[in-house]
Amino acid sequence: QKEVEQDPGPLSVPEGAIVSLNCTYSNSAFQYFMWYRQYSRKGPELLMYTYSSGNKEDGRFTAQVDKSSKYISLFIRDSQPSDSATYLCAFRSSGSARQLTFGSGTQLTVLP
Amino acid sequence: GAVVSQHPSRVICKSGTSVKIECRSLDFQATTMFWYRQFPKKSLMLMATSNEGSKATYEQGVEKDKFLINHASLTLSTLTVTSAHPEDSSFYICSARGRGLDNNQPQHFGDGTRLSIL
Repeated sequence: QKEVEQDPGPLSVPEGAIVSLNCTYSNSAFQYFMWYRQYSRKGPELLMYTYSSGNKEDGRFTAQVDKSSKYISLFIRDSQPSDSATYLCAFRSSGSARQLTFGSGTQLTVLP
Repeated sequence: GAVVSQHPSRVICKSGTSVKIECRSLDFQATTMFWYRQFPKKSLMLMATSNEGSKATYEQGVEKDKFLINHASLTLSTLTVTSAHPEDSSFYICSARGRGLDNNQPQHFGDGTRLSIL
């Protein structure tokens, strides 16, 4: 079983739709949960960062973490064409000074 | 938010050339910096981790003599690809993390360097 599973897509939605992006993980040591957005030929941009179960909202974005199910989600409300990008979930263990574990990324296209 | 600047954004050079890529944290002190490599339509692959003033820790399979990393200050790390060959062509991305309790600060990424070796 992979440590992180993320549907690669591609996912196409019409402008204004609610987008749901998901990742599952198997490592119970993961304590920090992140979502990054990566535009083509650019580095990843941190969207959401959380370390507890529950919801965290920032503008049109809501991150949801369910540690008991080892499942995280990112919701995008009122999606815009500018949201078209690859979205990467990422995880880190508590106290780890080293690396993030990334999902493979979901390619999202929001159609005008 | 935190800004990480990476330079240059694009390099095209001949085989055998050494290429240096700079990564700077502009508005925070980066105690730890990371270097990644990304192939088309793939996720990021960690190459090495460096702490300021210490030798870098390389991931398995990454040649430390090929990819020289220097983290001389809290705001600057460099990656030098020595004697680059076409198979080294890739998208290289740096990342930086600032001080915090229990190393719980998030990582912020630069915009990457696209390296093409002819």
